[in-house]
Amino acid sequence: NAGVTQTPKFRILKIGQSMTLQCTQDMNHNYMYWYRQDPGMGLKLIYYSVGAGITDKGEVPNGYNVSRSTTEDFPLRLELAAPSQTSVYFCASSYGGQGARTGELFFGEGSRLTVL
Amino acid sequence: DAKTTQPNSMESNEEEPVHLPCNHSTISGTDYIHWYRQLPSQGPEYVIHGLTSNVNNRMASLAIAEDRKSSTLILHRATLRDAAVYYCILRDYFSGMDSNYQLIWGAGTKLIIKP
Repeated sequence: NAGVTQTPKFRILKIGQSMTLQCTQDMNHNYMYWYRQDPGMGLKLIYYSVGAGITDKGEVPNGYNVSRSTTEDFPLRLELAAPSQTSVYFCASSYGGQGARTGELFFGEGSRLTVL
Repeated sequence: DAKTTQPNSMESNEEEPVHLPCNHSTISGTDYIHWYRQLPSQGPEYVIHGLTSNVNNRMASLAIAEDRKSSTLILHRATLRDAAVYYCILRDYFSGMDSNYQLIWGAGTKLIIKP
């Protein structure tokens, strides 16, 4: 099993450009998440999904959008990139909900985005 | 805000045990204590979690105080590959979530292993 796979690993954007970060998992998990991590900080939840067709905002959703058409894929769209979106982005999945006994999170390797 | 308190950093010698402390004085009776670690330039990975009793797995042991206001992650014999940031995490209520909870990540403890 590949687990959680993210692409691209690195990307440089100009202010105002748009892009999509791809995330796919092969563990048949219903729950999927997008986080961002700024230097020296913990993770902040951007968006999450509890199953195909169902998504909702996390703690820091402004400037981002998501979709979940299949169980496996959960792309994150950045519209009109801004320097404040420079960060490392992590996709994760879990069998159960966060904080639950079965809520172990499996993370991808991350996508480092720089907006200039 | 994170509901746990951890030291910013700790140092340990290779092949010695490491005890990573965590305070969580506001923990509720049904909250699991979760530990993750993040190796340099990688995504976080699950280490262990527990509710009341001490827990062991192939990676580490988790010792939970009787009043549950603190816990300690124990690496029995640290290697250079254990150098990472270790996060002690509780959940918090989040009105937007289907399950109503999300894990709240602090800055963690940076563990430095000296050869």
